[in-house]
Amino acid sequence: AQKVTQAQTEISVVEKEDVTLDCVYETRDTTYYLFWYKQPPSGELVFLIRRNSFDEQNEISGRYSWNFQKSTSSFNFTITASQVVDSAVYFCALSEAGYNFNKFYFGSGTKLNVKP
Amino acid sequence: DTAVSQTPKYLVTQMGNDKSIKCEQNLGHDTMYWYKQDSKKFLKIMFSYNNKELIINETVPNRFSPKSPDKAHLNLHINSLELGDSAVYFCASRGTSGDSYNEQFFGPGTRLTVL
Repeated sequence: AQKVTQAQTEISVVEKEDVTLDCVYETRDTTYYLFWYKQPPSGELVFLIRRNSFDEQNEISGRYSWNFQKSTSSFNFTITASQVVDSAVYFCALSEAGYNFNKFYFGSGTKLNVKP
Repeated sequence: DTAVSQTPKYLVTQMGNDKSIKCEQNLGHDTMYWYKQDSKKFLKIMFSYNNKELIINETVPNRFSPKSPDKAHLNLHINSLELGDSAVYFCASRGTSGDSYNEQFFGPGTRLTVL
């Protein structure tokens, strides 16, 4: 079974629309970390956010916000008033603190196309 | 100032050749990784070293051999290159403290094309 599922393969929106990227994870560990990374067309992987399992507070950073819900094992990412520069592939990832401490599990990514 | 660097950035070679990709991090991290990203953008972990010791070895052909001369360097040598090895290879190191605890710091990637 996949540890991290990003069911949306590709999303297209028009500039200024809000968009939510879904991420569902699976773990038996009580301590774990969740991440979002952005990969723009230039190819580098850019860190966006880290969340640990004990901190369910939602986070807002400018136009970006993250909703972490342990009850549904989800860590969704919302971009408000999207811009063309937001076009990228976005990856959700999970790291566990237990036996698989050193492993890092990526979702398959969601490609976001923001059209002008 | 570059945290994780990789060389070369692009590598074009013929099938059957042997090639190496080098990775260096100046963050003082103990754990480093190699990932392979295929054309569909799947990011797959290949290897991980902690302080020069191999700790993760996923199902990777033994044509791939990582080498870590010290904890700041993790190189990847590939023998007898095949068409299917064409991909982008990312090196990463893992943060060990504070706000970057457990975060993966990625290098810029090496695009390998096997002809």
